[in-house]
Amino acid sequence: AQTVTQSQPEMSVQEAETVTLSCTYDTSESDYYLFWYKQPPSRQMILVIRQEAYKQQNATENRFSVNFQKAAKSFSLKISDSQLGDAAMYFCAYRSPSNNAGNMLTFGGGTRLMVKP
Amino acid sequence: GAGVSQSPRYKVAKRGQDVALRCDPISGHVSLFWYQQALGQGPEFLTYFQNEAQLDKSGLPSDRFFAERPEGSVSTLKIQRTQQEDSAVYLCASRRGRSSYEQYFGPGTRLTVT
Repeated sequence: AQTVTQSQPEMSVQEAETVTLSCTYDTSESDYYLFWYKQPPSRQMILVIRQEAYKQQNATENRFSVNFQKAAKSFSLKISDSQLGDAAMYFCAYRSPSNNAGNMLTFGGGTRLMVKP
Repeated sequence: GAGVSQSPRYKVAKRGQDVALRCDPISGHVSLFWYQQALGQGPEFLTYFQNEAQLDKSGLPSDRFFAERPEGSVSTLKIQRTQQEDSAVYLCASRRGRSSYEQYFGPGTRLTVT
């Protein structure tokens, strides 16, 4: 079974600064997907960014980018130019390839990001 | 377009009562998931449907939990004889197809068992 670990329960960043959220995972599979989800207070969880394990290039989405280290099983999220609206819980998640029976997401415990004005 | 909706948004149940939680996925989405999110934790998988077929129910914590999706659209998660440890937010998510990347989450139902 896969496990996902987020070692930072809380992080804080000054508005306009950069912050990196950590995630490590454990798997015996060679192909998989990794995701970062954002869950604002009392609001729905939304996808921030995804990474396919077979791709060497790190994914980027505007101010969000990842540092994917497959050998180290590490998948960190970097948020540049932090904005007040970035304040939320962030979850790292793992998914097996679609041809496997298990299509669910396995989530880490989350990191609460606070943004200071 | 409309996203995933869930009802009720909040539910308070006395211990021992049965509850039913509803999920309306995005129209046309084949895959549907239920997750349980305890306070301060990440969501944990409960069960997965592809159309009306329940392909994976390995995450259901006990036989008091039952889910159905009889017509391949709306899904209901039923919890019988609720216990205090069932208190959590229950999240529903839908996905266009088996090979699609993104799961779209609903706002969740917060269940409190007193």
